[in-house]
Amino acid sequence: DAKTTQPPSMDCAEGRAANLPCNHSTISGNEYVYWYRQIHSQGPQYIIHGLKNNETNEMASLIITEDRKSSTLILPHATLRDTAVYYCIVRVAGTDMRFGAGTRLTVKP
Amino acid sequence: DAGVIQSPRHEVTEMGQEVTLRCKPISGHNSLFWYRQTMMRGLELLIYFNNNVPIDDSGMPEDRFSAKMPNASFSTLKIQPSEPRDSAVYFCASSPIRRMNTEAFFGQGTRLTVV
Repeated sequence: DAKTTQPPSMDCAEGRAANLPCNHSTISGNEYVYWYRQIHSQGPQYIIHGLKNNETNEMASLIITEDRKSSTLILPHATLRDTAVYYCIVRVAGTDMRFGAGTRLTVKP
Repeated sequence: DAGVIQSPRHEVTEMGQEVTLRCKPISGHNSLFWYRQTMMRGLELLIYFNNNVPIDDSGMPEDRFSAKMPNASFSTLKIQPSEPRDSAVYFCASSPIRRMNTEAFFGQGTRLTVV
């Protein structure tokens, strides 16, 4: 019973921005949007999270729509090392954290 | 901090044997999650603890699986008896519970092969 919907795969040219969408139309008011990525068989790695304001850190930017029903993760200058599966999750701290199928991003030279 | 530490990194065992996977969360974190990852089913949440108490174990596949968290710095996931279909990568993650939500950190996983 996934709370989020993501495209199964995307390609991006190296050096260009990668924009990964996520739909979470049933998000509740106290749920945050989290993004993780998993490179090959490593453990998932946290990227960024937000509630309703746009957020930016050294890795990425997170744009959340005003109605909070969707969001976009932006990797401003994708590199080959950004090739990974990207997961969008909605949750409240202290509750379960369930992963969907994610988006497999392939950065091409 | 060394991050979330899982052991062993790799485990090969024979069907029917007992397997115990171990996890040391990050100090100060009070949520702990166990996941199983396979190609077919993706990353599945098995169980999670808050303050050492199991909150939701609905993802535990069957009675052969059990998890414990005797204290804030240690958790185990046990499979007894193990079966070939239990072969997977098992991840542990920990997270603080704060008023302002924050992220979970994952271990490197234990790759379990049951032959």
